[in-house]
Amino acid sequence: EIEMTQSPATLSVSPGESATLSCRASEEISMNVAWYQQKPGQAPRLLIHGASTRANGVPARFRGSGAGTEFTLTVSSLQSEDFAVYYCQQYKDWPLLTFGGGTKVEIK
Amino acid sequence: QVQLVETGGGLVKPGGSLRLSCAASGFSFSDYFVTWIRQAPGKGLEWVSYIGPAGNTIYYADSVKGRFTISWDNANNSLYLQMNRLSGEDSAMYYCARAPGSSWASRWYFDLWGRGTLVTVSS
Repeated sequence: EIEMTQSPATLSVSPGESATLSCRASEEISMNVAWYQQKPGQAPRLLIHGASTRANGVPARFRGSGAGTEFTLTVSSLQSEDFAVYYCQQYKDWPLLTFGGGTKVEIK
Repeated sequence: QVQLVETGGGLVKPGGSLRLSCAASGFSFSDYFVTWIRQAPGKGLEWVSYIGPAGNTIYYADSVKGRFTISWDNANNSLYLQMNRLSGEDSAMYYCARAPGSSWASRWYFDLWGRGTLVTVSS
């Protein structure tokens, strides 16, 4: 099973600043990574697939990058609605899909 | 409106069974790859099971293999998860979710999620 490790667990950011979230895979997964945003009491929302392709309707301030084992989600100019928990998911090792433990982005 | 609505969760005793349903509207399950993903309270996401549009592609996580059965009903356009021999470790919010496409890459991430149904296993 491929393990996905996200860091940091919590990120404190002021509105208008940028947030950089990391996700590391335990083995090479090419660009087979998706990122999701989850707000309290809500289902996850797909943000990024293929490591860097934004899903439909996702604002351009969300940028995914990386390949191999190291991946990054950057949220520029954080808005109030961006404070949430973010998860990465690998799908290289299908069907054994695995998620990272999540990064909570909170207001500083 | 394209949406998924899960039902069937509740409180069940250890060793008991429960059947979750996921009703689709605005699209047909027979055209998509769909999955069940769960989230224990305060925890992260865990993939549970997956079924392809023809129903002949089915996968389970090791943690539920032999206890859970995924299926879908074309007539009712609904997805199901039959859960047997439940334990406390199965307590979670259960989400059904849909993959966006049929190409290899677009089968394995999920762009449409339901709001979830909560399963609590406790005596």
